[in-house]
Amino acid sequence: DADVTQTPRNRITKTGKRIMLECSQTKGHDRMYWYRQDPGLGLRLIYYSFDVKDINKGEISDGYSVSRQAQAKFSLSLESAIPNQTALYFCATSDLHGDGRNTGELFFGEGSRLTVL
Amino acid sequence: GEDVEQSLFLSVREGDSSVINCTYTDSSSTYLYWYKQEPGAGLQLLTYIFSNMDMKQDQRLTVLLNKKDKHLSLRIADTQTGDSAIYFCAESRTDSWGKLQFGAGTQVVVTP
Repeated sequence: DADVTQTPRNRITKTGKRIMLECSQTKGHDRMYWYRQDPGLGLRLIYYSFDVKDINKGEISDGYSVSRQAQAKFSLSLESAIPNQTALYFCATSDLHGDGRNTGELFFGEGSRLTVL
Repeated sequence: GEDVEQSLFLSVREGDSSVINCTYTDSSSTYLYWYKQEPGAGLQLLTYIFSNMDMKQDQRLTVLLNKKDKHLSLRIADTQTGDSAIYFCAESRTDSWGKLQFGAGTQVVVTP
């Protein structure tokens, strides 16, 4: 089983609908992130959380909200989806103190492809 | 990520060497990374280099870091068809530890 699991993997929705993307991890990491990937733009950070009580906006947080339900779970919501939120969304985790390397490496889920019509 | 720039496409013949280039702007970057994304998959760390190093070699991979020019490169020796993927350069800064800044990604296509 994947260490970082995202659901759903694919979703098609209509403008104005509320959408939630869920992420769960078994790595025991404190830090979790949501990125979106657009062709030619790379990955841009939406929100991040360094522990259960910590939520921070990334560079493109407008139109999104998050919830850190537990150390292992971090969900991303689009309250009212719009077409330019069509993208591939990635959840990632990291552990500052993990495995002694202390490199800040991110561990990614397989992505959730969202299409807003 | 506007602060990390990469060319978008590279075509290489099987067996040749690939060189993917990246420039970054933040001199306080601590770690610089190369991630690989295969079709339909998430990103996986390929290799990384700490900012006080000039070079790192790991089997077929060689990372070169020129801090003066803020230039990072990834060389893949004896490129194979399985190396076809998108390669992302990313930096981690001391003032935002854990928040990586990614480039747009370089699509590498390996032809027989």
